[in-house]
Amino acid sequence: QSDLTQPRSVSGSPGQSVTISCTGTSSDVGGYNSVSWYQQYAGKAPKLMLHDVSKRPSGVPERFSGSKSGNTASLTISGLQAEDEADYYCCSYAGSYNRLFGTGTTVTVL
Amino acid sequence: EVQLVESGGGLVQPGGSLRLSCAASGFTVSTNYMSWVRQAPGKGLEWLSVIYSGGGTYYADSVKGRFMTSRDSSKNTLHLQMNSLRVDDTAVYYCAREDWTYHFDYWGQGVLVTVSS
Repeated sequence: QSDLTQPRSVSGSPGQSVTISCTGTSSDVGGYNSVSWYQQYAGKAPKLMLHDVSKRPSGVPERFSGSKSGNTASLTISGLQAEDEADYYCCSYAGSYNRLFGTGTTVTVL
Repeated sequence: EVQLVESGGGLVQPGGSLRLSCAASGFTVSTNYMSWVRQAPGKGLEWLSVIYSGGGTYYADSVKGRFMTSRDSSKNTLHLQMNSLRVDDTAVYYCAREDWTYHFDYWGQGVLVTVSS
């Protein structure tokens, strides 16, 4: 199985919105509502930002939102802030006990 | 407070073995799903294995037959036994608690494994 496909990088100015896509297949993203998103700063452990496509854990700002259409899931950061500059990874259950991560996206705040 | 602390990393020669540990606090390892995830230098995240609360273990194809996940309930600790290590196993290894809807809600700080001669 291949990693889920994400854009290598996205950028935006403070206050703008950016969207990161996560494209898989009907065997993973399209087949389950078990898509999650992680934020990772350099040298640090990943942090859960969204789960079950669009659910935010306690403490995650409301500007982070998620959606899914077909085989593509998306993470949107509205009202971009400087501290949002990080790497982001999607992850999906892929059946047969497998989990797949996305290729990762670097968010740059201009 | 939930905490996961990995240990056991280091430098090992190709073909060698290493055992990682992940000490948990704030919850019970044996009643949760626990996964191992790794990240090669400059690369993305790769899921490696899961142990379910019932004890079943499952592995990514890249490590199947070489790595084995286990847990010690008396010490509330997760282990990853890594055998037949290869240069491309060089990575930071993370343990993570996994919710039953397949997301990782708590992560350890990671431990570096370097496979080199």
